[in-house]
Amino acid sequence: SSELTQDPAVSVALGQTVRITCQGDSLRSYYASWYQQKPGQAPVLVIYGKNNRPSGIPDRFSGSSSGNTASLTITGAQAEDEADYYCNSRDSSGNHAVFGGGTQLTVL
Amino acid sequence: QVQLVESGGGLVKPGGSLRLSCAASGFTFSDYYMSWIRQAPGKGLEWVSYISSSGSTIYYADSVKGRFTISRDNAKNSLYLQMNSLRAEDTAVYYCARQEVGLVFDIWGQGTMVTVSS
Repeated sequence: SSELTQDPAVSVALGQTVRITCQGDSLRSYYASWYQQKPGQAPVLVIYGKNNRPSGIPDRFSGSSSGNTASLTITGAQAEDEADYYCNSRDSSGNHAVFGGGTQLTVL
Repeated sequence: QVQLVESGGGLVKPGGSLRLSCAASGFTFSDYYMSWIRQAPGKGLEWVSYISSSGSTIYYADSVKGRFTISRDNAKNSLYLQMNSLRAEDTAVYYCARQEVGLVFDIWGQGTMVTVSS
């Protein structure tokens, strides 16, 4: 079983704000990263570290963390944001990567 | 441009072996840690293994430890995954990914499908 827990599915109205969360004990010590995956495509990194976006990622994507919970926020969700989102971090040993189970985001 | 291209996937019988390759281009391969990550059909992402830039440090997920071997050839800008004693549950798309500090995967290949079935 995954050491990072995500809600399986979340929906948001077009243009509204949505928060996707990721819970795990290791998040008290390590930052989470977030990946977007559209059907038939490889994952794409959207947020890493405290709140960093790779080049080319829109600024409507942001990240935050509190205690054992990391969050990905999309402010003003667009139709093209409909995808699966995965968080990842280190496990409790610090030497292995671990992924959350993923959240399917639907934009209504 | 920065690119990772996997190859070597296919259909293999349970107990069989397969070797995956990942060709890197557009960046200094020898500067980066690299990982293999897999995704079973309709399932989530599972980290498999990573190797340090020099190859001196390697870690495996418990699910593959003792069966899979990660390696790299910096002169050929290539990453490999030797998979032995394959099981049905190893069926997945296998991605290679460039790894940044903090086990962040910033560049992914397009993946190669491995199917383990009799």
